[in-house]
Amino acid sequence: EAQVTQNPRYLITVTGKKLTVTCSQNMNHEYMSWYRQDPGLGLRQIYYSMNVEVTDKGDVPEGYKVSRKEKRNFPLILESPSPNQTSLYFCASSDRGYYNEQFFGPGTRLTVL
Amino acid sequence: KNQVEQSPQSLIILEGKNCTLQCNYTVSPFSNLRWYKQDTGRGPVSLTIMTFSENTKSNGRYTATLDADTKQSSLHITASQLSDSASYICVVSPNDYKLSFGAGTTVTVRA
Repeated sequence: EAQVTQNPRYLITVTGKKLTVTCSQNMNHEYMSWYRQDPGLGLRQIYYSMNVEVTDKGDVPEGYKVSRKEKRNFPLILESPSPNQTSLYFCASSDRGYYNEQFFGPGTRLTVL
Repeated sequence: KNQVEQSPQSLIILEGKNCTLQCNYTVSPFSNLRWYKQDTGRGPVSLTIMTFSENTKSNGRYTATLDADTKQSSLHITASQLSDSASYICVVSPNDYKLSFGAGTTVTVRA
């Protein structure tokens, strides 16, 4: 089944404790992206990657890191999480093409205390 | 200021009725406009994608319209069903990789 998977789905952590949210897709998509969703604000792009070893900042990259060493994986790293990073996070992937329809993962709900 | 504004913020409709959601955008340049459906606790799922040259596109009971001159789009839901209860998100793309999301309209369908 073609899908985007994220782990963990739920995470409660404390300020300053490094964490990684994994994202994997099995559709051989070149493009992957991370978003955060907060009430009343809609989804905002954190980072995106157009291909292996190619990443770029989205609209809200501060406090986040990413890496794209393999085509299928695009982990999101929070080196020192803070309470304002409490949010719902989505990973998405798409293939090249005019419409480049994005397929979203199920989401990761992160709470930073 | 968000470059994609949606209205209303929420609405309640009776099962079987129609409704129309609005999206106004200021994103420029413009490549395409998408409507997504997001069920509570799940990732968004694409309903329609339109380029600037398309002014209407349907997906079952969902019909999207686009006026690129006025920078307005609408999503019309026909004969609503309980399963249509969700958040509907308008997304405007200035290029292949950047997406600007609206805050969404929450639709509740009541029996």
